[in-house]
Amino acid sequence: EDQVTQSPEALRLQEGESSSLNCSYTVSGLRGLFWYRQDPGKGPEFLFTLYSAGEEKEKERLKATLTKKESFLHITAPKPEDSATYLCAVQARGTGGFKTIFGAGTRLFVKA
Amino acid sequence: NAGVTQTPKFQVLKTGQSMTLQCAQDMNHEYMSWYRQDPGMGLRLIHYSVGAGITDQGEVPNGYNVSRSTTEDFPLRLLSAAPSQTSVYFCASSLGRTGGSYEQYFGPGTRLTVT
Repeated sequence: EDQVTQSPEALRLQEGESSSLNCSYTVSGLRGLFWYRQDPGKGPEFLFTLYSAGEEKEKERLKATLTKKESFLHITAPKPEDSATYLCAVQARGTGGFKTIFGAGTRLFVKA
Repeated sequence: NAGVTQTPKFQVLKTGQSMTLQCAQDMNHEYMSWYRQDPGMGLRLIHYSVGAGITDQGEVPNGYNVSRSTTEDFPLRLLSAAPSQTSVYFCASSLGRTGGSYEQYFGPGTRLTVT
């Protein structure tokens, strides 16, 4: 069964304290892995797409990496404005084209 | 460019009532989808469409209907609301299923409560 698991469920950091969020997946026919950021009361906002193992993408304090079984979102020297829920999603072949499966997310709290 | 818009933002229904959640996008995207988001469960796909006139079921389609008569609009109909349908509903769109990138653009959501 296709599955996406994110850990930890919640992460509390001090400003400047670097850490990583994990996304492990089991899907057949992976087309891509996505990271989204979601602020309270808003829709998810796209961050990165990773297509193959070994690929890395960076944006400001965020860096996403991909292996054959998992992805990491590294946060370097986070600031309070990085506080949000980070969602991982995988896109795989489905009967009608492709399907996207989301993880439950990691809630990140960064304290000044 | 408004992106993905959803109406209403909030809705309260009584059990058994029906209603339509509206979704529109102005990016000429082929692919549109509806998700529901419940605490601790992440986003779950309800229905999706790969183009006008084509729809298919997602992970949790029961109790919902969709249609896609135009590229821009993808309404979600609740046929007979139940308390289990209390959730936040998100509409999303992306370029398409062939070529290009597949990241989805989400609307602001509709918070639905069924009493």
